[in-house]
Amino acid sequence: RKEVEQDPGPFNVPEGATVAFNCTYSNSASQSFFWYRQDCRKEPKLLMSVYSSGNEDGRFTAQLNRASQYISLLIRDSKLSDSATYLCVVNMLSGGFKTIFGAGTRLFVKA
Amino acid sequence: DAGVTQSPTHLIKTRGQQVTLRCSPKSGHDTVSWYQQALGQGPQFIFQYYEEEERQRGNFPDRFSGHQFPNYSSELNVNALLLGDSALYLCASSLDSGINNEQFFGPGTRLTVL
Repeated sequence: RKEVEQDPGPFNVPEGATVAFNCTYSNSASQSFFWYRQDCRKEPKLLMSVYSSGNEDGRFTAQLNRASQYISLLIRDSKLSDSATYLCVVNMLSGGFKTIFGAGTRLFVKA
Repeated sequence: DAGVTQSPTHLIKTRGQQVTLRCSPKSGHDTVSWYQQALGQGPQFIFQYYEEEERQRGNFPDRFSGHQFPNYSSELNVNALLLGDSALYLCASSLDSGINNEQFFGPGTRLTVL
């Protein structure tokens, strides 16, 4: 089983739709969590950190569920510019500090 | 304020050769991590440098080595290149090596091994 798993998608949604991604992690020693977005052939860019209390940034909401070991990202009112791959990132202390990326979920927002 | 920079942007090598990739962190950052990203995959952690020392290492062979300089810039060296080393190599910098650090990525170096 992979340490961090994401549904690869693709998710095809119309403009204005709400879309949600989940990411599961297997190691309970995981301590910090992030969502990054990556455009085709570009570097990952930090979208938001994920806090235990959940956090919101404009149209984006991230939540953490430690009991079930998953994080989620909700995008409201999708824009064409939201089309990208969304990467889940988990930092854990397991035999040392480790940063694990999920393989990413692809989102296509269409007009 | 310059972000993370990497050089070169593209590189073509042949099997068995050696390559050195370079990274300058974002201003004010002291920690550099290197990642390998194969097509269609998420970045895989290679190692992290902090205070000129390798602090953590992922599951990569000793052919992958690195260095951090006093100005916090870093190099990634790969010896005895294999076809499977073809990938996008990403450098990320952060303010410290703590577990809650937010990492900022450079544009990457695309390495092709023929």
